[in-house]
Amino acid sequence: GAVVSQHPSWVICKSGTSVKIECRSLDFQATTMFWYRQFPKQSLMLMATSNEGSKATYEQGVEKDKFLINHASLTLSTLTVTSAHPEDSSFYICSAIAGPGDYEQYFGPGTRLTVT
Amino acid sequence: AQSVSQHNHHVILSEAASLELGCNYSYGGTVNLFWYVQYPGQHLQLLLKYFSGDPLVKGIKGFEAEFIKSKFSFNLRKPSVQWSDTAEYFCAVLPTDSWGKLQFGAGTQVVVTP
Repeated sequence: GAVVSQHPSWVICKSGTSVKIECRSLDFQATTMFWYRQFPKQSLMLMATSNEGSKATYEQGVEKDKFLINHASLTLSTLTVTSAHPEDSSFYICSAIAGPGDYEQYFGPGTRLTVT
Repeated sequence: AQSVSQHNHHVILSEAASLELGCNYSYGGTVNLFWYVQYPGQHLQLLLKYFSGDPLVKGIKGFEAEFIKSKFSFNLRKPSVQWSDTAEYFCAVLPTDSWGKLQFGAGTQVVVTP
């Protein structure tokens, strides 16, 4: 089956620093990747949609300058949390689809970010 | 606005009991429907999906779900649960005209006691 990986699986950083999270599709090419945020005991909230070779589309209320998304290749998307603050601490999950018309998303294992 | 509602936030039941988790959505157009499961410490996995056709869909691990269009519902069922079914279950809706943008319900934490 389609596998999506994320790196790192968890990260702790100091307030004011930036953190980069990678999302890779291991055995398929992902034309589109999605980034979600999950707070404890809550559902996944879509942050942005990332298409290979183009700018990401952010959901309402998500700061694009704070959450930088790059989808440089068909197998890699990155999320950079810039100038992180404690309120950015969360579980970040990516997903990927193989192509247009593919309605099934394959999810990564998530990255736990803790900002101290 | 579109929404996905899961009726129970927390369910506790004994092994061999039957499980039914409710999911309702509000959207007037055509949708694809999913149930995902998240086992402790693991990533989201697809349990089953409905795109079209037979409204009763069967998924992995003995789960099934029924799409009732008139009720905007997609309830998940399993006749006899096991301890290993302890997990968080998410209903998700994908309007076919909002390509890729899954809307998740709040999730239901299911705890199965031995």
